[in-house]
Amino acid sequence: AQKVTQAQTEISVVEKEDVTLDCVYETRDTTYYLFWYKQPPSGELVFLIRRNSFDEQNEISGRYSWNFQKSTSSFNFTITASQVVDSAVYFCALSETGGAQKLVFGQGTRLTINP
Amino acid sequence: DGGITQSPKYLFRKEGQNVTLSCEQNLNHDAMYWYRQDPGQGLRLIYYSQIVNDFQKGDIAEGYSVSREKKESFPLTVTSAQKNPTAFYLCASSRGSTAYGYTFGSGTRLTVV
Repeated sequence: AQKVTQAQTEISVVEKEDVTLDCVYETRDTTYYLFWYKQPPSGELVFLIRRNSFDEQNEISGRYSWNFQKSTSSFNFTITASQVVDSAVYFCALSETGGAQKLVFGQGTRLTINP
Repeated sequence: DGGITQSPKYLFRKEGQNVTLSCEQNLNHDAMYWYRQDPGQGLRLIYYSQIVNDFQKGDIAEGYSVSREKKESFPLTVTSAQKNPTAFYLCASSRGSTAYGYTFGSGTRLTVV
């Protein structure tokens, strides 16, 4: 069965530090999709990125970057030069292409950026 | 603008009462989902529906019921059988395939008083 593990429950850093959120997944499927969502204090989950299993190219979007490594089943998320507005809960999720059409979420990592 | 609307944002319920949470989407998405989130916890799937008039139990369906009479609507009823209903409830929708991920509503915070 598919599973997503975010081992870091909470992370606290000082503004402008770089921070990496870890995500490890398990799946037997060869085709799958990985996601990161941000949940600010308002509660709504906001989509950040989607990556399919055939595309291992790392991606950068402004201060955000994602490192996908199939060899270690990891899809880590790095925030460079963190800002207070980055404070939120971040969820990693996995979708398989077969079986029930639903996402499996990790437990989430609460990130606090202190001024 | 297209999106998902959950109402109400805050809801208070007396013990022993049923309560219904609303979820409406205008994204023309086929699939809809309900998740429960407890403080410091991840998201747990309650029910999901991939087409109208059909739905499946998720991981924690006991004490909850749903209906999917219209593509746009997927209301969740929290029944008196749910032992600990105080939580944050999130509704989501997706196209037929979750390869595109979910769009989420803003959530309903339910408190039993």
